[in-house]
Amino acid sequence: GAGVSQTPSNKVTEKGKYVELRCDPISGHTALYWYRQSLGQGPEFLIYFQGTGAADDSGLPNDRFFAVRPEGSVSTLKIQRTERGDSAVYLCASSLMDPRGEQFFGPGTRLTVL
Amino acid sequence: GQNIDQPTEMTATEGAIVQINCTYQTSGFNGLFWYQQHAGEAPTFLSYNVLDGLEEKGRFSSFLSRSKGYSYLLLKELQMKDSASYLCAVRDRPGAGSYQLTFGKGTKLSVIP
Repeated sequence: GAGVSQTPSNKVTEKGKYVELRCDPISGHTALYWYRQSLGQGPEFLIYFQGTGAADDSGLPNDRFFAVRPEGSVSTLKIQRTERGDSAVYLCASSLMDPRGEQFFGPGTRLTVL
Repeated sequence: GQNIDQPTEMTATEGAIVQINCTYQTSGFNGLFWYQQHAGEAPTFLSYNVLDGLEEKGRFSSFLSRSKGYSYLLLKELQMKDSASYLCAVRDRPGAGSYQLTFGKGTKLSVIP
């Protein structure tokens, strides 16, 4: 079946602009995660959804970052007033809520803020 | 806080065996994962350990010692396609709460002929 998909694959924007990144999880996966990965680093947790609600947003760096999942499937990560330091690959993952909870990652969106 | 350490880079020869170590200090523990990530691609799941001991899966094995906060990934019969970054990740919140993973920085493995 289809895996996790993310759009766009690449996004170049100017400092101060607003961007939206989209994630389509695997069908039936109730858990959805956003991570951010900078060059040479491991993924860094941003936010976790269980169904439609954000169960844990402790990883969001500041209030410029916001994410929604209105129908419990597709999620959108929104970044306001982008800064050069926001440049990274934004990864989305989804999982079942079984004991192992293996996370399946999408290909990521590479965000570049000029 | 959470701290996960793994070597930055390793080099091994095709056909050989390599062991990638990971040590962790986390506020809780509910499983350790290893992921493989080729350059420019998404991480893909390799293994999961929640109890002490060795889990074997084809050419890949993973070991866990919870008392020592230690894991390793063992890759046998190395192939050129195994050149990638290997990420150690800990799920540090028990129960039905967040399943978020805390990742190490990854070990870049280069397999040479």
